[in-house]
Amino acid sequence: GQQLNQSPQSMFIQEGEDVSMNCTSSSIFNTWLWYKQEPGEGPVLLIALYKAGELTSNGRLTAQFGITRKDSFLNISASIPSDVGIYFCAGHARMDSSYKLIFGSGTRLLVRP
Amino acid sequence: DVKVTQSSRYLVKRTGEKVFLECVQDMDHENMFWYRQDPGLGLRLIYFSYDVKMKEKGDIPEGYSVSREKKERFSLILESASTNQTSMYLCASRLRNEQYFGPGTRLTVT
Repeated sequence: GQQLNQSPQSMFIQEGEDVSMNCTSSSIFNTWLWYKQEPGEGPVLLIALYKAGELTSNGRLTAQFGITRKDSFLNISASIPSDVGIYFCAGHARMDSSYKLIFGSGTRLLVRP
Repeated sequence: DVKVTQSSRYLVKRTGEKVFLECVQDMDHENMFWYRQDPGLGLRLIYFSYDVKMKEKGDIPEGYSVSREKKERFSLILESASTNQTSMYLCASRLRNEQYFGPGTRLTVT
């Protein structure tokens, strides 16, 4: 089946540093989504990407839809302690007779004050 | 803002009990989803619904059923809870290709 490879699995960085994480797949997706999940909470949608090559920002977050439609990255600039959480990518594609969201395994981000 | 609410944040149930998890969205979305999330296994789709009274099996429907009597409400039912159904349950509704999640229900079956 379709799979997303998300890396890195975890990052432990100093406050103020920039962060980069990415997702790759052997399959093509028509939408890429990036979520953040904090402990005990549901994932919160950060950025949605709909076009190959699209670059979208949301505050200190920037994400891009890869030109091949098989990958996406998320950058966080000037990290702060409240950026701590697990970041998930998700790709939207047709599977069997319906459209489904395929999730990456997550990148756990820890920020040292 | 999209708002998805789940009836309980934490539930503790006994093996064999019938369990209802309720989800409500206030944005008139047609598509709604139930997932469970487990360490090391990620998010797995249990059931989804495209419209009222319509349901489709996801990847792991065994041991679960769903009900969608009204557009805004999607219920997940565990007919006879078992310990391997201890998990975080997440409901979502969809607009375009974006899924919006509720806060989750942490269910413990003892």
